[in-house]
Amino acid sequence: DTAVSQTPKYLVTQMGNDKSIKCEQNLGHDTMYWYKQDSKKFLKIMFSYNNKELIINETVPNRFSPKSPDKAHLNLHINSLELGDSAVYFCASSQQGGYGYTFGSGTRLTVV
Amino acid sequence: DQQVKQNSPSLSVQEGRISILNCDYTNSMFDYFLWYKKYPAEGPTFLISISSIKDKNEDGRFTVFLNKSAKHLSLHIVPSQPGDSAVYFCAVSSANDYKLSFGAGTTVTVRA
Repeated sequence: DTAVSQTPKYLVTQMGNDKSIKCEQNLGHDTMYWYKQDSKKFLKIMFSYNNKELIINETVPNRFSPKSPDKAHLNLHINSLELGDSAVYFCASSQQGGYGYTFGSGTRLTVV
Repeated sequence: DQQVKQNSPSLSVQEGRISILNCDYTNSMFDYFLWYKKYPAEGPTFLISISSIKDKNEDGRFTVFLNKSAKHLSLHIVPSQPGDSAVYFCAVSSANDYKLSFGAGTTVTVRA
C-alpha cells in the first residue's frame, strides 16, 4: 500500500493543453507539497498545503493551480502547457513541517 | 539563488571503500540538515538527518557531520555497497518552516 501515490506516472501532451496530476497520501500527514525537478536535476518547491490551506506559493506561473479537497489529497492542474513545463513533478507529505518528508515516485511530464 | 550546493555532481568508489559526499549552505539560520537517496524512476527517500545542535549523527554505515562555522555538512558511507549506487540529495530546513531546500544531487556509483 503506497504511502504517497501520484498519477499518472508518465504524461505526454501537446503544447497548449491543460492537464492534471493527482496525489494522495495515506500517512495521516497534515502537510503536502509539490516539487519540480528540472533538467538540471534541482528539486524546487512549488506549493505547500497544510490542512487544506495554502502556505507556500513559490514563484510559479499562474498557469499552475494546486487544489487540496482534503488533507490527504493535493492535485496540480496546469493550463496552457509550454515546452518548459517538461520536468518530473514530485508530490510529498510531512507531519512536522520541513522535516520527515515522504515523496511519491514522481510524474514525468513531457510537453511536445 | 541556490541556498544549498553540492559541488560534486558525481562520485565513483570501489565497493568496501568509503564514500564522502559534501554539501555547503548559505544561511546560518537553518536548523535541520537531511540527506535523501534517490533511485531512478523513484522518489527521494529519507536517509539520515542532523539538527543544528549536533555535529555528528550516525546510523549504521551512514554518518553525517555538520560544521556550522563553515556552513558545511558531509555524508560518509562506510563500507560502500553496490546498492548504495544512487543520487544523494542534501536538504536543509528551518524550524517552523514547511519547506526543504535541496542541492542538485551527487550521483554515487559503487564499483564491484
